[in-house]
Amino acid sequence: SAVISQKPSRDICQRGTSLTIQCQVDSQVTMMFWYRQQPGQSLTLIATANQGSEATYESGFVIDKFPISRPNLTFSTLTVSNMSPEDSSIYLCSGGGDFYGYTFGSGTRLTVV
Amino acid sequence: AQTVTQSQPEMSVQEAETVTLSCTYDTSENNYYLFWYKQPPSRQMILVIRQEAYKQQNATENRFSVNFQKAAKSFSLKISDSQLGDTAMYFCAFMKTYNNNDMRFGAGTRLTVKP
Repeated sequence: SAVISQKPSRDICQRGTSLTIQCQVDSQVTMMFWYRQQPGQSLTLIATANQGSEATYESGFVIDKFPISRPNLTFSTLTVSNMSPEDSSIYLCSGGGDFYGYTFGSGTRLTVV
Repeated sequence: AQTVTQSQPEMSVQEAETVTLSCTYDTSENNYYLFWYKQPPSRQMILVIRQEAYKQQNATENRFSVNFQKAAKSFSLKISDSQLGDTAMYFCAFMKTYNNNDMRFGAGTRLTVKP
């Protein structure tokens, strides 16, 4: 199964600024997904990223706030824009798929102060 | 829309004993995949076991096995001979076999293995 390197692992950011999270996959994957996980809670899907097309966002998440890039089949970024303390969370990317399930990055713990 | 329900927020078990984590789901699909993921404090999501809906035989991976009841839409995880390293959050997940294939997760069960 694919291996995903995610960075940064953690960051502390000022409100009003933006942070870009990167995920690099060691093999080509068709679909990549971005999740948000509040401490002690489950994973909530933010968006699905296909190479060569715009990301598809879940209800409650908008492109202006969480722009996503997917320039090729091994890389994706998620930007958290104009951050507020409510954006403090863990952000995870995943990729792969089919019966073998998805591999996840190690997550980015974001704190907005 | 698919929903996944884990009704046990927390569970504990003594080392070397057996514990079962519950999961139910709701879907109108006939073909899909089910998974159990483990998330230790390191945050890394680790795939524990997977099951294809069309297979009646329950999946087994070493000390981990599932009880898949398709008609009841139930997918429980049994951990035998529990070890301290099994302490983690466990998430049940559902994935359709087509279209976006995005994965939907339950709320999770925090399992503590006691020495």
